Amino acid sequence: DVKVTQSSRYLVKRTGEKVFLECVQDMDHENMFWYRQDPGLGLRLIYFSYDVKMKEKGDIPEGYSVSREKKERFSLILESASTNQTSMYLCASSLVPGPNTEAFFGQGTRLTVV
Amino acid sequence: GESVGLHLPTLSVQEGDNSIINCAYSNSASDYFIWYKQESGKGPQFIIDIRSNMDKRQGQRVTVLLNKTVKHLSLQIAATQPGDSAVYFCAEGANYAGNMLTFGGGTRLMVKP
Repeated sequence: DVKVTQSSRYLVKRTGEKVFLECVQDMDHENMFWYRQDPGLGLRLIYFSYDVKMKEKGDIPEGYSVSREKKERFSLILESASTNQTSMYLCASSLVPGPNTEAFFGQGTRLTVV
Repeated sequence: GESVGLHLPTLSVQEGDNSIINCAYSNSASDYFIWYKQESGKGPQFIIDIRSNMDKRQGQRVTVLLNKTVKHLSLQIAATQPGDSAVYFCAEGANYAGNMLTFGGGTRLMVKP
């Protein structure tokens, strides 16, 4: 059974803190993604990675960075958390382009910045 | 089916009725489409997908219809059950973009017992 695991379900952090959100997938997928989800705005892509040590900006990368040191792990970093980064964060993975290109999602991390 | 501003469209149906959730996609070059279901407190789950060389695909109790002429996608759920209550997202992807998915804003389906 495919699995994408995010390290935390809920996090509360203070403004200015450095925050790490971790994501691990066990499907040997090349592509990994970080989205944030806000009410009425759907899923917005922050960053994605198509290979180890490779990263590409998504639609809203400002205030975030990522790290992909190993194929199975993709980390999202908030260098200095701000209240407008309070959101649900979703990690996903998928195969490189092919017959099955659906993305598999983790359960989400609800981050509150106070 | 698409969200407007901060308000999530909501579809309310009676248990046992059929549901139709609509989605207008934006990119005429998109050639792959997926419907996801997201229950409260969980990540999105794959329901069904369709490629642009098809106009209909059926799964278990679900059917996806694709109209490329008007860039419209719909999800039909037969005999809707309380467990179908969730937010449903459509997503589009294109081979030229590495099959990166772009998501719609979502529609909330509420099933009345």
